[in-house]
Amino acid sequence: GESVGLHLPTLSVQEGDNSIINCAYSNSASDYFIWYKQESGKGPQFIIDIRSNMDKRQGQRVTVLLNKTVKHLSLQIAATQPGDSAVYFCAELNAGGTSYGKLTFGQGTILTVHP
Amino acid sequence: GAVVSQHPSRVICKSGTSVKIECRSLDFQATTMFWYRQFPKQSLMLMATSNEGSKATYEQGVEKDKFLINHASLTLSTLTVTSAHPEDSSFYICSARDLRSNQPQHFGDGTRLSIL
Repeated sequence: GESVGLHLPTLSVQEGDNSIINCAYSNSASDYFIWYKQESGKGPQFIIDIRSNMDKRQGQRVTVLLNKTVKHLSLQIAATQPGDSAVYFCAELNAGGTSYGKLTFGQGTILTVHP
Repeated sequence: GAVVSQHPSRVICKSGTSVKIECRSLDFQATTMFWYRQFPKQSLMLMATSNEGSKATYEQGVEKDKFLINHASLTLSTLTVTSAHPEDSSFYICSARDLRSNQPQHFGDGTRLSIL
């Protein structure tokens, strides 16, 4: 099914803390997932991705965890900085058929980092 | 890295005006482009998918005669909001992808459309 546009949940953290942002995805057949960061007035910016044959992937200061059993993704940001303040979206890729690589976005989370 | 340019970044116009938004892939060939709409404090909602040289595929509930999409080349897609009304005011975002590669979609920086 499609994700529905809802008002976004918020997460406030202190600078230097670790942040965990969660996302529930909708399609058990999705095999590729992406986390995006969106700053105010801009388009989404790629952060990290993971394929369904993995349950964890690490980048620079970020880690994505995938739990296919409960269709759950999380993004962990280590040592959060004020520049990390943004809206974070997970997206799932509907693979196969004639979907042409169509992404379905989750509802998003507003992350605010306080100095 | 791959760059997608969207123009204009902001449009303010009167009700009844038609508005064209351009989306260009600057350093790769976009076999497929996607158009999204985003209302304040909400997620991105896919409006349509366009493949170069083909008619766009619209999502359920999106009026194809209202939102005209043209994808005539591998580097340019346009979205025209015809006879725009205040309820069409939104943030419109395009993304582009080369389906022949393993690269994910790359997004433009959006167009803020305000209809008075």
